[in-house]
Amino acid sequence: QQQVKQSPQSLIVQKGGISIINCAYENTAFDYFPWYQQFPGKGPALLIAIRPDVSEKKEGRFTISFNKSAKQFSLHIMDSQPGDSATYFCAATNTGTASKLTFGTGTRLQVTL
Amino acid sequence: GAVVSQHPSWVICKSGTSVKIECRSLDFQATTMFWYRQFPKQSLMLMATSNEGSKATYEQGVEKDKFLINHASLTLSTLTVTSAHPEDSSFYICSAKAGQNTGELFFGEGSRLTVL
Repeated sequence: QQQVKQSPQSLIVQKGGISIINCAYENTAFDYFPWYQQFPGKGPALLIAIRPDVSEKKEGRFTISFNKSAKQFSLHIMDSQPGDSATYFCAATNTGTASKLTFGTGTRLQVTL
Repeated sequence: GAVVSQHPSWVICKSGTSVKIECRSLDFQATTMFWYRQFPKQSLMLMATSNEGSKATYEQGVEKDKFLINHASLTLSTLTVTSAHPEDSSFYICSAKAGQNTGELFFGEGSRLTVL
């Protein structure tokens, strides 16, 4: 019930391409879905987040698509840049409780020149 | 966004000693903070939830006597790894909740612990 499954485990994208990372959850009580970006040796940084009342949220080159019926959400990075090379984690939580985040397993993104 | 500061960013200690890691919310008050542990190339594993003025809630399998958590004020939580052993070597990360009924968490920069 608490799992968040993330794929792919790793991803190589050419500069300018679109990076797509997918996540699926099981707990229907989750109501907040953030994505975090983590560089080596650093803590995760909040990238973008969505609530289930909308199907898409866009911030700059980053877009979250959310499919409530399928219990899936994805991160799209448009015009991927070498500086986007990092590990990305999806997460989910129920904000009405202790707000403990359940993290996906992470995706290591490498953007090549 | 809100800033969470962790100190030290890295620490090396001898086996059997204790190490304290501090987590501070710099520009907001955090009634709830979370402590995570992350092994290389793995996801973050929640260790405990720290509430200001009360005892921490530990996740299953986390030794509360081994990992002492204190949340004495609205801006400071500490994690003390007691009698550290090499297997405690890891990346420890704290996060703080910026408000009630929000899932938005801000993370510290992490603390790399190496136990010799």
